[in-house]
Amino acid sequence: DQQVKQNSPSLSVQEGRISILNCDYTNSMFDYFLWYKKYPAEGPTFLISISSIKDKNEDGRFTVFLNKSAKHLSLHIVPSQPGDSAVYFCASRDGNTGKLIFGQGTTLQVKP
Amino acid sequence: EPEVTQTPSHQVTQMGQEVILRCVPISNHLYFYWYRQILGQKVEFLVSFYNNEISEKSEIFDDQFSVERPDGSNFTLKIRSTKLEDSAMYFCARALGRSGANVLTFGAGSRLTVL
Repeated sequence: DQQVKQNSPSLSVQEGRISILNCDYTNSMFDYFLWYKKYPAEGPTFLISISSIKDKNEDGRFTVFLNKSAKHLSLHIVPSQPGDSAVYFCASRDGNTGKLIFGQGTTLQVKP
Repeated sequence: EPEVTQTPSHQVTQMGQEVILRCVPISNHLYFYWYRQILGQKVEFLVSFYNNEISEKSEIFDDQFSVERPDGSNFTLKIRSTKLEDSAMYFCARALGRSGANVLTFGAGSRLTVL
């Protein structure tokens, strides 16, 4: 039951360029979509979110886009920095319970 | 923002033993969650806890698992008789609310290794 999918297990970009991480979902009842960043041996750290009624949310170098008709969201990081290297998890929130359903994660490597 | 503290950071146990993982969230937070991540896999929901009772649990959360908040502070996850496949990182999370802009804040995790 993969309600949230991140089809790219890894992504490598050059420092200063744009990183685009993608996520697809199947359940139309999710009310919020979130991106978490995770380093090894640490818990997921909240990065940015977007309400299901919005199509874009921007916070500094990070922008999340939501395409509800395609049930697709993406995270753009620009410019990418080596410190951005981590595993990025897309998560969708059940509007009734607050439960998060995570994707499989995408490992981002930003090369100096 | 205050973090969620989890103990122990790493526990090694023999199969069949009981394990208790602890989480110390901020007292004014009402919603608590346990998630786990088996090595190399995605973060999976186990259980949510609100108003001192379970509000939702996943298929993973079978009779071997239990949660409680005995003293109004610590939030614990107990595994009664551990199995090899219980080896994973267990993350506690908390939230002020479960709607609107409230987000889950996770602890650093407890690594459980079952031998």
